[in-house]
Amino acid sequence: QQPVQSPQAVILREGEDAVINCSSSKALYSVHWYRQKHGEAPVFLMILLKGGEQKGHEKISASFNEKKQQSSLYLTASQLSYSGTYFCGTVSPSWVNTGGFKTIFGAGTRLFVKA
Amino acid sequence: NAGVTQTPKFRVLKTGQSMTLLCAQDMNHEYMYWYRQDPGMGLRLIHYSVGEGTTAKGEVPDGYNVSRLKKQNFLLGLESAAPSQTSVYFCASTDTRLEKLFFGSGTQLSVL
Repeated sequence: QQPVQSPQAVILREGEDAVINCSSSKALYSVHWYRQKHGEAPVFLMILLKGGEQKGHEKISASFNEKKQQSSLYLTASQLSYSGTYFCGTVSPSWVNTGGFKTIFGAGTRLFVKA
Repeated sequence: NAGVTQTPKFRVLKTGQSMTLLCAQDMNHEYMYWYRQDPGMGLRLIHYSVGEGTTAKGEVPDGYNVSRLKKQNFLLGLESAAPSQTSVYFCASTDTRLEKLFFGSGTQLSVL
């Protein structure tokens, strides 16, 4: 049930780009992306609700392929502040239709940006 | 506007002891969740609630109980703590539009 994230970890130099992938075995209603700094709570980045939708947040954007049950997070021109662990959270239609409304998270991708 | 408040922030228990973690939100959210976070495992859903008086099991419910007697509060109980329950626990809430989860600051629990 847990979505699969890849890669598990990535190291970037400042200014480089990265892509984090999230894949689910279940049909998806929505995908959420969060970033967590060490010792802090996860912070919401964006939500994607429609297939093929792309959303952006600063230099961070994401896509959602409903058919493939996948989402990708794109970080362009990375900054030191982008370091942290990124989580995708998935909500499935069956849960929404039965009033479940639960978000299941992947294991996370650790991103480290160095100067 | 405090958002989601968790108490306590830290706790050390001995095996077999019991305790209750409190989560309170002041945003009038319908949905509340308890997650645990362990290294390499991400956030795993323990129990959740879709409204006052309702609770449901998540991915890893064994060893935990919950109650939602008031809309703003969601309690997580450990009846007989085990070392495997050593973890960081996060509470979260959201509204019916499911736009995003608001997380509390977490509770670090150690069971010796």
